[in-house]
Amino acid sequence: KQEVTQIPAALSVPEGENLVLNCSFTDSAIYNLQWFRQDPGKGLTSLLLIQSSQREQTSGRLNASLDKSSGRSTLYIAASQPGDSATYLCAVNTNAGKSTFGDGTTLTVKP
Amino acid sequence: KAGVTQTPRYLIKTRGQQVTLSCSPISGHRSVSWYQQTPGQGLQFLFEYFSETQRNKGNFPGRFSGRQFSNSRSEMNVSTLELGDSALYLCATSRGIDNSPLHFGNGTRLTVT
Repeated sequence: KQEVTQIPAALSVPEGENLVLNCSFTDSAIYNLQWFRQDPGKGLTSLLLIQSSQREQTSGRLNASLDKSSGRSTLYIAASQPGDSATYLCAVNTNAGKSTFGDGTTLTVKP
Repeated sequence: KAGVTQTPRYLIKTRGQQVTLSCSPISGHRSVSWYQQTPGQGLQFLFEYFSETQRNKGNFPGRFSGRQFSNSRSEMNVSTLELGDSALYLCATSRGIDNSPLHFGNGTRLTVT
């Protein structure tokens, strides 16, 4: 059974700081890993998708890496802004149509 | 391109009643998944439908059921509501092939009193 863990559960940083969010998973036989952000009371917005054959993906100030052998992924956010404040979740897809989510990291960026 | 649409946005029901939630996927998406999100349990997978067939199922009781129509729209039904069913119910759609990303709707907030 796939288990996904995200550390830390919460993180508070001053504006402008670079930061890293972590995601670990127990079963390395994955199709892909997807990072999302969720604002309070809203649905999830897809940030980055890394296929199992890829090592990293980049979008603007975001960079996600994947190390299947160690069961880890990181989401790097450069030059953080108050608008980045949200909960960030990672989802591991080990079966077409079913993803396992971590509990998320709640990020607060202080002006 | 329209996103994933979930209706209604909010629902208040009484214990013992039943409820139906709806999800309209992005055009071309044949897979619809349902998730329950609560503060204590996080995001829990309910089930997934692909081409009108349930393809994957989570560990929820039989009171939770779903279906998918020929136009890929999906409905989720919860019967005999319990207080613990209060949650944000999220629908995610995708093309349904192995490497396709998930796209979420804004969810239905269900409150059971």
